Formats: sequence, structure tokens, C-alpha cells
Amino acid sequence: DAKTTQPPSMDCAEGRAANLPCNHSTISGNEYVYWYRQIHSQGPQYIIHGLKNNETNEMASLIITEDRKSSTLILPHATLRDTAVYYCIVRGNNAGNMLTFGGGTRLMVKP
Amino acid sequence: GAVVSQHPSRVICKSGTSVKIECRSLDFQATTMFWYRQFPKQSLMLMATSNEGSKATYEQGVEKDKFLINHASLTLSTLTVTSAHPEDSSFYICSSPREGQGEQFFGPGTRLTVL
Repeated sequence: DAKTTQPPSMDCAEGRAANLPCNHSTISGNEYVYWYRQIHSQGPQYIIHGLKNNETNEMASLIITEDRKSSTLILPHATLRDTAVYYCIVRGNNAGNMLTFGGGTRLMVKP
Repeated sequence: GAVVSQHPSRVICKSGTSVKIECRSLDFQATTMFWYRQFPKQSLMLMATSNEGSKATYEQGVEKDKFLINHASLTLSTLTVTSAHPEDSSFYICSSPREGQGEQFFGPGTRLTVL
């Protein structure tokens, strides 16, 4: 699976959009971009995933660049409960594929 | 989304004892389950992959005789930490993909403290 690079930490004001970047320059054509988050002392939670088109669900939006070498996770109106470590993971879409976690981005939403 | 549960959520034990952690898929059949551990301020590290009805596959550096995994049914996988020592203290998390879906569903984790 392709390796990803994320900033180690970010701050965001409550109510503002949080934009979390991820670089995955070695992504291959059949690999998807997945985002998970982990709130302190809990198991990771799936957020969203995409292949090449932008995706949106009730939690977030995922913007993938045309060359697919980077992506941005957008939380449109961050709340204090969005404080967590956000992991960007690239892998094939086979349901049996494991997830390889990098360091992630620690997002701190401040009042 | 699918639901995965773990039991217990927290356990404290004495050095040398064995601890069993259960991971259950509540509303889907989990053919494959992954076991991770996470040390403080670190990311999740995959320990092993278990498939229902067959032996687990362990990652390099993970002792299969120390971390016994049983996946006897499509809804239950267990991880037994045998002869636990303080260095085994960690947050243990299981996950499973639901058939036909790319995303994985994680349990809430089990915090093991070995005294």
C-alpha cells in the first residue's frame, strides 16, 4: 500500500471548517484514499473514502486532486467533539485488506 | 454502520496471568478480523489477521504463542495474552470489514494494564 504524509497536528476554531491535508504521491491506480479518526481512548471510526472523484457524506467531504497525489478532508463546521487524530490511509478496496496506520494528524478544535 | 464490540473494555491483571479479549461483530458476519495494539502516543500497529476457521497470520515480531488468536465463528474472535508482563500493557483493538464493503469497522478497544 502507498505511504501517506500528514502534518502531525493542526488547530481549528469551533464552527470553522477544518481542512486536513494528506500527500500520497506513490498511490497506484487501483488504490483508494480512506480517512479514519480516533478520539482519545476509543477505536478508530470510519469517515469517508474515495478513488478519484470528490466525495461527501454526513460527516465530511473528501477532495482528491486530479493527479490523485494528494487529498484534503474537510469538516465543514468543526465542533469540540471533532478533536481527534485523523488518519489518511491508501489501500486497495478489497474488503480483506488490512489498514496500515501512519502517524495521522492530531486535530485540536478550540472554542 | 456495522457494529463491533469488545469485552472487556478495561482489564488490570498481575504479571504472569493470562487475559482473554473478545471481539464480536454484532450485525454482520466477520470472515476476517484484524487485531491491533496501540501504545501511548503511538499509532495502531497490526498484530495479526484471523480468518474464520483457520490459523491466524501474525505480523513480524509478534509471538504467536504469546498472543493466541481464535476465530471459531463468523461473529467472534478472541485474543488471549498469555503470561502477561508489564510491557504487554497496551490498548488492543479489533476490526473487521463487512463483506462487500471497503471500510473496516473497529471495536471500542480494550485497555490492558499488567502490574
